[in-house]
Amino acid sequence: QVQLVQSGAEVKPPGASVKLSCQAFGYTFTNYYVHWVRQAPGQGLEWMGIINPGGSSTGYAPKFQGRVSMTKDTSTSTVYMEMRSLTSEDTAIYYCARDQLRGNSWPDPWGQGTLVTVSA
Amino acid sequence: DIQMTQSPSTLSASVGDRVTITCRASQSISKWVAWYQQRPGKAPNLLISHASTLESGVPSRFSGSGSGTEFTLTINSLQADDSATYHCHQYSSYPFSFGGGTKVEIK
Repeated sequence: QVQLVQSGAEVKPPGASVKLSCQAFGYTFTNYYVHWVRQAPGQGLEWMGIINPGGSSTGYAPKFQGRVSMTKDTSTSTVYMEMRSLTSEDTAIYYCARDQLRGNSWPDPWGQGTLVTVSA
Repeated sequence: DIQMTQSPSTLSASVGDRVTITCRASQSISKWVAWYQQRPGKAPNLLISHASTLESGVPSRFSGSGSGTEFTLTINSLQADDSATYHCHQYSSYPFSFGGGTKVEIK
């Protein structure tokens, strides 16, 4: 079945970068866009952006533009999300989720999430 | 950017009650709304897409309605298993966005 498997928890100091992975199983990787969404402790969901694994196009929420990069590796069916200049406000669970079509529908299913902790 | 205002932020109801959660969009988004259920420590789980289409396997006590700027998620005959946080999501235009979430507690 369709499954997204994310990389393990990360602990980073302020100012560092982090690169998370999301590996897809059970479908043709290049046919479906992938979203990234994060959730700070006790907070709601925040949409970060989207990547087209079948090409190279990306779209980012204005808040993350310039600080986040989404990339892909079709040989391993993996998408990546790199965030730079981390602060304590970036402490959150980061989810990847597959789109239903080509970036114009809802994210589902979701990966299990990756906890990123930013702390000195 | 489209803002999604979800209310209430928390609610407490008894088993068997009918519960309604509302999301208001800052501009018209037709029916491009999804609803998710999220249990503690878990990823969100899709309940409804396109404002009112129930996902396969989701109990029929869940329903969605609305179009334009106002949307509702209704849980008929609340069950103990429905204790969770519920999120609305607009996918009408980039950047996509979510409501702030509604935590449903069982009395």
